[in-house]
Parts: sequence; structure tokens; C-alpha cells
Amino acid sequence: DAKTTQPPSMDCAEGRAANLPCNHSTISGNEYVYWYRQIHSQGPQYIIHGLKNNETNEMASLIITEDRKSSTLILPHATLRDTAVYYCIVRIASGTYKYIFGTGTRLKVLA
Amino acid sequence: GAVVSQHPSWVICKSGTSVKIECRSLDFQATTMFWYRQFPKQSLMLMATSNEGSKATYEQGVEKDKFLINHASLTLSTLTVTSAHPEDSSFYICSAYPGGFNTEAFFGQGTRLTVV
Repeated sequence: DAKTTQPPSMDCAEGRAANLPCNHSTISGNEYVYWYRQIHSQGPQYIIHGLKNNETNEMASLIITEDRKSSTLILPHATLRDTAVYYCIVRIASGTYKYIFGTGTRLKVLA
Repeated sequence: GAVVSQHPSWVICKSGTSVKIECRSLDFQATTMFWYRQFPKQSLMLMATSNEGSKATYEQGVEKDKFLINHASLTLSTLTVTSAHPEDSSFYICSAYPGGFNTEAFFGQGTRLTVV
């Protein structure tokens, strides 16, 4: 079973920041949090990942709470092309390092 | 980012026939590859994990004789759907993992299988 819970859907105005929350209260100390997004009928696209520190790259920022039980993905200036399903995944920390996908958040960016 | 290529992007086949889907990591070696299937408006469901030169490990409920996985090299894995039926129609997605603890997996663009 997936180790994350996310709201099923969110709307965001174009040009505004999109903040997507994720709960992972059972995360283990050496498990990373990964974010991917999937645009309709395509494979998931990697966005960002982190362990305990906040991370930023050219696509997004990842804020992880100090107790690591939740995180937030921030898209600083959402565009219409950011409309997608966003998946927060806790990667299994041993063995095959497989991803178990949860239900994700369907983000709709509105013009 | 690294590129994972799936082929074909879409395929239509008749009931009872077999279909092979290829997954290639183009610019890195993948120690592990994963196969997922996705039904409309649903999330990705992990089917199996394969390591080069080893037998695939299937998730509970996935028929290994139905979905044959071969991981012949560090850059190629194949999924064969045997004796396909209409209920096997789905979106199949592969993922390739380059190894290392602090790295990400990369996904192919998916294969849309329709069994008629």
C-alpha cells in the first residue's frame, strides 16, 4: 500500500504559486520523498526529491516538515502546462527501491 | 534528465495473441526496471520488478505466466502480454532505475494496449 495521502484535486490560478500537500506519517528515517507528475496519457515526469532538508530546482521547491511526516511541493508560478496529476511517493528504502504510487492530486491551473 | 524509451507507443491486437513491449534506457544503465499498468482515471499499479539477468519479482495478484518479463541487459527490459484478452487493455508504463540511494527513477512514455 502507498505510504502517502494527498488531496484528490486542487485548482490554482495561472501565475500564482501552487502548493501541493502530502502526508507521509509512517515514513522511515532513511526513506526519501519523491514527487512526480503525469500529464494525460504520458509517463510520469520526475520533479524533485528530498530526505529531510528543503530542496529547490528549476521546476519546484520541496518543503519537508521537521518531523518528516508531511511535505509540500511548491510550483512558484503555475502555468497552464502544469495542469497534471501530481504524485508524492515515499520510496522503499531497501531491496529494490520500488515506487508505490498513491492516488495523487489532480492540479488544474486556471487561466 | 535521463531518457527511457518505450516501444510501441500504442498497439492493437486480437484476442488470443501475444504482444511484446520494449523498454530501453538510452543514456544510462538500469540496474532495475519496473513495470506498471494504469487504467483510465486511476493511479499506476506496480506489476513487477526486474533486475538484469534475474527472474522478475511480481506483485501480489499479477500472473507471472500472463505477463512475461525479460531483462536481458542493463538497458533493455521487455514485457510480453501472452494470450491477450480485452480485459488486458490498459496503459503499460516502464521505469528504469540507475541505482544508488539518492537517485530517481525515469519513466517511459507508456504503451497503450487495446485488445479487440
